[in-house]
Amino acid sequence: GAVVSQHPSWVICKSGTSVKIECRSLDFQATTMFWYRQFPKQSLMLMATSNEGSKATYEQGVEKDKFLINHASLTLSTLTVTSAHPEDSSFYICSARAYYLYEQYFGPGTRLTVT
Amino acid sequence: AQSVAQPEDQVNVAEGNPLTVKCTYSVSGNPYLFWYVQYPNRGLQFLLKYITGDNLVKGSYGFEAEFNKSQTSFHLKKPSALVSDSALYFCAVPGGATNKLIFGTGTLLAVQP
Repeated sequence: GAVVSQHPSWVICKSGTSVKIECRSLDFQATTMFWYRQFPKQSLMLMATSNEGSKATYEQGVEKDKFLINHASLTLSTLTVTSAHPEDSSFYICSARAYYLYEQYFGPGTRLTVT
Repeated sequence: AQSVAQPEDQVNVAEGNPLTVKCTYSVSGNPYLFWYVQYPNRGLQFLLKYITGDNLVKGSYGFEAEFNKSQTSFHLKKPSALVSDSALYFCAVPGGATNKLIFGTGTLLAVQP
């Protein structure tokens, strides 16, 4: 099956610093990548959708200046949490989809803790 | 608008017994439906999908799902549950301009030994 990797798997940072999370599709070309946030015991909340070479489309209520998304190639998307605060602590999950598929393939997630 | 509903927050089943995790959908047009599983502190894993064709769809790890148009349901099933099947299960449907996935609220499956 299609494999999506995410790095790092966990990160601890200090309040006010920025953190970059990478999402890579390893064995297929991902025309679209998605970034989700998940709180404990809750479903996934879509943050943004990005298409390769285009600006990301953010969901309502998600600050685009705080959560910077770059989808520079068909195999790599990055999410940068800028000026992180403790309330940004969460589990961030990316997914990728090829143009010929409806299903998405998910990365293993990144646990972000802001102290 | 496309949506799915998972009426049960948790399903408990004994190991070896059959399991069913329920999902109902509301879509316009032909439904495309998915099931995903999430193990603790992990991303989601794709289990199976219904696009068209047979109403009984077979997927990974021995799971299958039955598409029922009259009942607008897409229940996930397995003939014999394993303790290792204990996880969070999500039903999903594509929607919106980008065909983003719209997830149900999730059902926690607990399989007791």
